[in-house]
Amino acid sequence: DGGITQSPKYLFRKEGQNVTLSCEQNLNHDAMYWYRQDPGQGLRLIYYSQIVNDFQKGDIAEGYSVSREKKESFPLTVTSAQKNPTAFYLCASSLGSGRVSGELFFGEGSRLTVL
Amino acid sequence: GNSVTQMEGPVTLSEEAFLTINCTYTATGYPSLFWYVQYPGEGLQLLLKATKADDKGSNKGFEATYRKETTSFHLEKGSVQVSDSAVYFCALRLNTGFQKLVFGTGTRLLVSP
Repeated sequence: DGGITQSPKYLFRKEGQNVTLSCEQNLNHDAMYWYRQDPGQGLRLIYYSQIVNDFQKGDIAEGYSVSREKKESFPLTVTSAQKNPTAFYLCASSLGSGRVSGELFFGEGSRLTVL
Repeated sequence: GNSVTQMEGPVTLSEEAFLTINCTYTATGYPSLFWYVQYPGEGLQLLLKATKADDKGSNKGFEATYRKETTSFHLEKGSVQVSDSAVYFCALRLNTGFQKLVFGTGTRLLVSP
């Protein structure tokens, strides 16, 4: 089945450690996104990528890094510089520019907890 | 700038009640409008969408009409079920070039038997 797979679903991190969240899609979508969701809040955009080997900062990129070496993969690294990393992280993809509907398809999310 | 404003929740209803969740937007152009739903512990799923003024999106008994004159896209359902309990997000995307989705803060719906 086509879709977006995020892993791990739950992740625990000690302070000072970097962690990488995986996001893989087999929808052949050009664009991919990472959002952060905090309890009772909306979605905030961390990074997005329109095409392979290109990505842009979103609204809250500080303390995060990404790569886009393959079309189907867009991993997110939460670095030790992120002061409050405990959150629910959502990966999404879309067909990209020129597609009027702009529908995003989301993964199931990864919940990161800092101990 | 572009923004979406949703009514604050939680919205608490009894089963079979009528649902309205208000959504208004501000946009520099003519956006496409979306409603997404998030069930507990899951990602978001597209519920319905409308790409131009006066379009009505519908799915699973939910409806929303794109009202350009009032810049609104209110979500409605005639008879809610317990299984509709979730968080609902309104969002917009401009239709020029590559544009990110802009989300509202979400409205939690709680339906009791």
